[in-house]
Parts: sequence; structure tokens; C-alpha cells
Amino acid sequence: QVQLQESGPGLVQPSGTLSLTCGVSGDSISSSNWWGWVRQPPGKGLEWIGEIYHTGSTNYNPFLKSRVTISMDKSKNQFSLRLNSVTAADTAVYYCAREGVGSSWYFWGQGTLVTVSS
Amino acid sequence: QSMLTQPPSVSGAPGQRVTISCTGSSSNIGADYDVLWYQHLPGTAPKLLIYGNTNRPSGVPDRFSGSKSGTSASLAITGLQAEDEADYYCQSYDISLRLRVFGGGTKLTVL
Repeated sequence: QVQLQESGPGLVQPSGTLSLTCGVSGDSISSSNWWGWVRQPPGKGLEWIGEIYHTGSTNYNPFLKSRVTISMDKSKNQFSLRLNSVTAADTAVYYCAREGVGSSWYFWGQGTLVTVSS
Repeated sequence: QSMLTQPPSVSGAPGQRVTISCTGSSSNIGADYDVLWYQHLPGTAPKLLIYGNTNRPSGVPDRFSGSKSGTSASLAITGLQAEDEADYYCQSYDISLRLRVFGGGTKLTVL
């Protein structure tokens, strides 16, 4: 069974960098799938952040593109999210996910709350 | 402001049928991109309910069904149960922005 687990600081200073890692078990991130990040600000809906393919190819939300970097570490079977110049608007539960049937986000981590505050 | 519009809330009594609409445009649903539906309970990971507009992954009850027409899609839930109370999101792809887009979400209340 594919399992994903987000990890990283729960509190980030304004103007700082948000960094999260998604550890993967039950599958290899070298498999032919997209691996992505989705977030949910408090009281709001889901927002796609971006994704990375096993080849290293990436796609980003154009509204976040200038601040986002998604990378992968095949030796650790994990992928990561970096979001620069954060503000309070970036406070959210961040989920990592793996693409599944029908280009869906099928496998999800449990999510981790990241608060941007001084 | 999401490019896919959903009603903020819907409600129904146990056993009833409810539908949740998802209205897009010619650059997403109308451009023949598939619609997916997710169920999201607070504190848990979203769960895929429908893919490819109408298909259910294994394990999803046939009480859940999806449809698509033109620039819109719908999720229908029949035989409403208390456990169906959750937030529901549609998702598609927008070719003009090259963006995987979610609807704003609909909160289902089982009366």
C-alpha cells in the first residue's frame, strides 16, 4: 500500500521559506507517476501547488510559480516543496499526493499545518 | 476565485438524493478535460470518489455517480447517509492557465 507522510516546520516566519518533505513508502518515486503538493488554507478550498514527474520534470501553479520549487531525492525516496517569501496567506494544511487512476490525486498524506507568523 | 464554481452548501435528509454541480468554462471542462470528484472530511486526507467524469474507483459505493455535459459536471449521491456529511470538491485541468484546478468545494449536510 502506498503511503505518504509530510514533515517539516509547523511555523515559518513571514518573508521566510517554507520547506516540507514527503516521505514515500510502498512505492518508488522513480515509478512513472506524478508526485504533487496541494494545500488548504483555513476555511478555504483545496489549491494545487505543483508536481514533479519521476524524470524530474515539474509543473507549477502559475499563481505561485515564481515562489515554488519542487524537487525529488531518489536515494531517500522522497520529494520536497520549497515556497519562498511566505506571508500569512500561505498558512494552510499542506498535503503531498501521488497521481493515480485517471490523472487523479489518489494517494495522499495526512497533511501538515504550516502557520506563517512571527 | 476558483475557475470551477460549486454551490457552497447542499443538504438532504437520510435516504434522499442530492446533487452537487461544478460549472467550468471552455478552457477546462468544456475543453474536454475530465472531471474528478473528491470527498474531504475534516482532519483527513481527501478521498477520490469519481475519475474520468463517471468512473468510481474500487471501494466507492455505487450511491455516488458522476456526470458531465458541456462546461459543467455533477456529482449525485443517492440514499444519503450520515457518514456522507463532508466537503466535496470537483477538479479538472485548465488549458489556458496550464493549471490543475479545484472547485471551491461544497459542504454537504445530512439533516
